[in-house]
Amino acid sequence: ELKVEQNPLFLSMQEGKNYTIYCNYSTTSDRLYWYRQDPGKSLESLFVLLSNGAVKQEGRLMASLDTKARLSTLHITAAVHDLSATYFCAVDRTSGTYKYIFGTGTRLKVLA
Amino acid sequence: DSGVTQTPKHLITATGQRVTLRCSPRSGDLSVYWYQQSLDQGLQFLIHYYNGEERAKGNILERFSAQQFPDLHSELNLSSLELGDSALYFCASSGITSTSGSRTYTGELFFGEGSRLTVL
Repeated sequence: ELKVEQNPLFLSMQEGKNYTIYCNYSTTSDRLYWYRQDPGKSLESLFVLLSNGAVKQEGRLMASLDTKARLSTLHITAAVHDLSATYFCAVDRTSGTYKYIFGTGTRLKVLA
Repeated sequence: DSGVTQTPKHLITATGQRVTLRCSPRSGDLSVYWYQQSLDQGLQFLIHYYNGEERAKGNILERFSAQQFPDLHSELNLSSLELGDSALYFCASSGITSTSGSRTYTGELFFGEGSRLTVL
C-alpha cells in the first residue's frame, strides 16, 4: 500500500527564516507533485517533478526530488506571511496502480 | 480558475439521505479523481475514472458510488448519509497541459472548488 508521509505536520516560523518540508513515499515513483491549499479553499498546483534530480523554483519556494531515496523536499527561503497555507505532496501511478495519493499535509504559519 | 466545475458548492442534508455531487473536468481532460477532505484532515483518495472507466479505487465506502459519463462529467453518489460523511469533496481532472508551446501529460491535477457537505 502506497504511503506518503510529510514532516513536519505543523510549522510555525518567523518571517525571513528558511525551512524545509520533507515528503517521503513508500514505493517507487518517478513523479511527485506539490500543492498548496489555503484554509477552506481548493488546491493549487505548485510544482511537478518528473524525474530523479528534478529541481523547480518559484519565488521563495524550491522543490526537489530524489527518487532513489523516495524523498522530495520543499524549501522555503526568507518566508513571508503570504506563504501561510497547507502544503501537500502527492504521488501517482506507482506499482502499476492509478491511485493518486496525497501526503498528510504540512500546515505552515508564518509569523510577522 | 482551474477549469474544473463542481456543483453544488454547499449542501446541507439529514442523516439517511442521498446526495449527488457533480463534476465537469477541464475541457479535454479524460481523467477525473474524487477526494474527501474532513475538517482539518488530509485528502482521502476515493476513486479515479479515465474516459468513462474506473481506473482505481481508494477508501471509498460501499455507500458511495461514482461514474463518469460519455461527455466526461462525473458524479459521486453518497447514500445512507451519516454525520461522519460531513466533509469537503473535491473533484480534480488531469490531462494534456500546454507549457511553453509544447503539450505534454504531466499528471498535474486541477481541482474544482469543492462541494461542502454537511449532514445533520
